[in-house]
Amino acid sequence: DAGVIQSPRHEVTEMGQEVTLRCKPISGHDYLFWYRQTMMRGLELLIYFNNNVPIDDSGMPEDRFSAKMPNASFSTLKIQPSEPRDSAVYFCASTPTPREQFFGPGTRLTVL
Amino acid sequence: QQQVKQSPQSLIVQKGGISIINCAYENTAFDYFPWYQQFPGKGPALLIAIRPDVSEKKEGRFTISFNKSAKQFSLHIMDSQPGDSATYFCAAQAPDSWGKLQFGAGTQVVVTP
Repeated sequence: DAGVIQSPRHEVTEMGQEVTLRCKPISGHDYLFWYRQTMMRGLELLIYFNNNVPIDDSGMPEDRFSAKMPNASFSTLKIQPSEPRDSAVYFCASTPTPREQFFGPGTRLTVL
Repeated sequence: QQQVKQSPQSLIVQKGGISIINCAYENTAFDYFPWYQQFPGKGPALLIAIRPDVSEKKEGRFTISFNKSAKQFSLHIMDSQPGDSATYFCAAQAPDSWGKLQFGAGTQVVVTP
């Protein structure tokens, strides 16, 4: 099994640009989570889905952030417009049951 | 505010020593307590987990100790090796949370040769 796949692995963009992060969960996993990791705030849960339906988006920092899961094998996290304070590592994780989460390798986002 | 408080923030231990990381929680509804290990440039990965009906769980050199009355749990890494150098996160989950994990702030462990 390939595990959770995230793309791109690194993204450098300028303030004000739109950024789209992508995630392919492990096949058969019904739960998908998006996290943001920074030195200052640690691991923050942004949003999670069950069977492609968003369950809780209370962690999304503001309206500039949006996430979708159009099907069981694909999810996106979009930031529009991006700001320097959005610089972080963004992780996607999936799980077949509400227990062990399998994390992807992350996308390191730098907003200049 | 963080629902799971983790300490210390960082830890340096000599090879062969014992690393101890502590976590405390308030929500008595939590019923699942995992520890995740993260190497630089990688995503966190489940290391070991415990339920509150057990006071201790051991897997190889890694042991979780759980104190339900004190609402505390800890990770012990016995015979620490340089390959154990990583960031460790404790977490907690409630049964009605749809899989949502409350993570601690993380502890960076460095094992010196």
